[in-house]
Amino acid sequence: QVTLKESGPGILQPSHTLSLTCSFSGFSLSTYGMAVSWIRQPSGKGLEWLASIWWNGNTYNNPSLKSRLTVSKDTSNNQAFLKVTSVDTADTATYYCAHTPLTRVLDAWGQGASVTVSS
Amino acid sequence: DIQMTQSPSSMSVSLGDTVTITCRASQDVGIYVNWFQQKPGKSPRRMIYRATNLADGVPSRFSGNRSGSDYSLTISSLESEDVADYHCLQYDEYPWTFGGGTKLELK
Repeated sequence: QVTLKESGPGILQPSHTLSLTCSFSGFSLSTYGMAVSWIRQPSGKGLEWLASIWWNGNTYNNPSLKSRLTVSKDTSNNQAFLKVTSVDTADTATYYCAHTPLTRVLDAWGQGASVTVSS
Repeated sequence: DIQMTQSPSSMSVSLGDTVTITCRASQDVGIYVNWFQQKPGKSPRRMIYRATNLADGVPSRFSGNRSGSDYSLTISSLESEDVADYHCLQYDEYPWTFGGGTKLELK
C-alpha cells in the first residue's frame, strides 16, 4: 500500500526558504519509472503542479516559480524534498506530494501540509 | 504552457442527475489527461486516467471521454457522495497543468 505524508514548518516569514519533506512507503524512488511530484493549492483555489523528481534523478520544475524551486530525494530513507526560496504571501497554500509512476501518474496523494507565509 | 480550460466553474446539481464537466486543451495532449475528485479538507483522488480509464475503486457511474482536444468527465445518476470539486490535469508536456476546477453543489 502506497502512503505519503508531507511535513513542513506550518508558518514562515516572507523572504525565508520553505522546506518540505515527503515521507513515503510502499514504493521506492530508486525503481525504474518512479517519481514523486509536488502540487500546491491556495485555500479556495485550484491545483498547481510544482515539480517532479524521477528515479534517475531527473527533475522538472514549474517555470512559473522561476528558479525558486529545488526538489531532491533521499532514496535510502524513502523521502523527497521541496525547497522554495524567497517566499511571499502568494506561496501560502496546502502543499501535497503525490506518487507518480510513469503509468499511474498522481495515483496517490499525501494528506497535505498547510503553509502560511506571514510576518 | 498548455492551458486546460475547464467548464463550468460551478454547477448546481440534483441527486440522480447526469453531470458532465469539460476541459479543453490549448494544444494536443493526446490521452494524457487525468480527472481528480476533491472533497472539502481532503486530498485529491484520481478518478480517471489517460482520458478514459476508470481508476481502481471508482464507481462505474464515472466515465471519461475524449473528442479531439475536449476531455469530459461524466457522472451518471449523481449520488450525494459525488458532490465535490473536480479537476482535470494534462501531463503530456511539462509544466503539467490543471484546469481551474469545477465545484458541484446540491440544489
